[in-house]
Amino acid sequence: GNSVTQMEGPVTLSEEAFLTINCTYTATGYPSLFWYVQYPGEGLQLLLKATKADDKGSNKGFEATYRKETTSFHLEKGSVQVSDSAVYFCALSGGANSKLTFGKGITLSVRP
Amino acid sequence: DVKVTQSSRYLVKRTGEKVFLECVQDMDHENMFWYRQDPGLGLRLIYFSYDVKMKEKGDIPEGYSVSREKKERFSLILESASTNQTSMYLCASTRGRSAWEKLFFGSGTQLSVL
Repeated sequence: GNSVTQMEGPVTLSEEAFLTINCTYTATGYPSLFWYVQYPGEGLQLLLKATKADDKGSNKGFEATYRKETTSFHLEKGSVQVSDSAVYFCALSGGANSKLTFGKGITLSVRP
Repeated sequence: DVKVTQSSRYLVKRTGEKVFLECVQDMDHENMFWYRQDPGLGLRLIYFSYDVKMKEKGDIPEGYSVSREKKERFSLILESASTNQTSMYLCASTRGRSAWEKLFFGSGTQLSVL
């Protein structure tokens, strides 16, 4: 079946540091890949997505590239801010019916 | 502003009680989902629905049931609450069934079963 593996957390960074959060997946066929973010006290919201190999999703300074050869979708940001502190979830959708499989999530804390 | 609204932010219930968690979306979405979120386990799908009066089991349906009598409302029911159902419950909806559809989430209901 489909699965998503995220790096272990939590992650603590200083403001303006470079961020990488690793995500790898297992799926049959050609899944769509997503990053969702959950700010404190809120539900999840879509951060970015990529629907085919070599696509790059980007939003709010975050980027992730769909790498089929390494089955990865790592999240990066060049300079994090305190306001980026949140829980980040990698997810995949393996076909129609839009059922998402989520990773375990990773908590990011950014210090001033 | 489009919204998925969950009726309660915090809920405390006793073991054996029947619990209803309500979710309403104002986007005329066909598809609605219930997830539970637990530390170290991420989000796990309990039930989902593609249309009124339709429901399908997700990955962890045991101990839960659902009801979808109207398009905008999707209820999660714990027939007899147990302590291992203490969790954050998240409702979500999507417009269509394509693999690239994004989910819209509610803010969640933190349920404690004592």
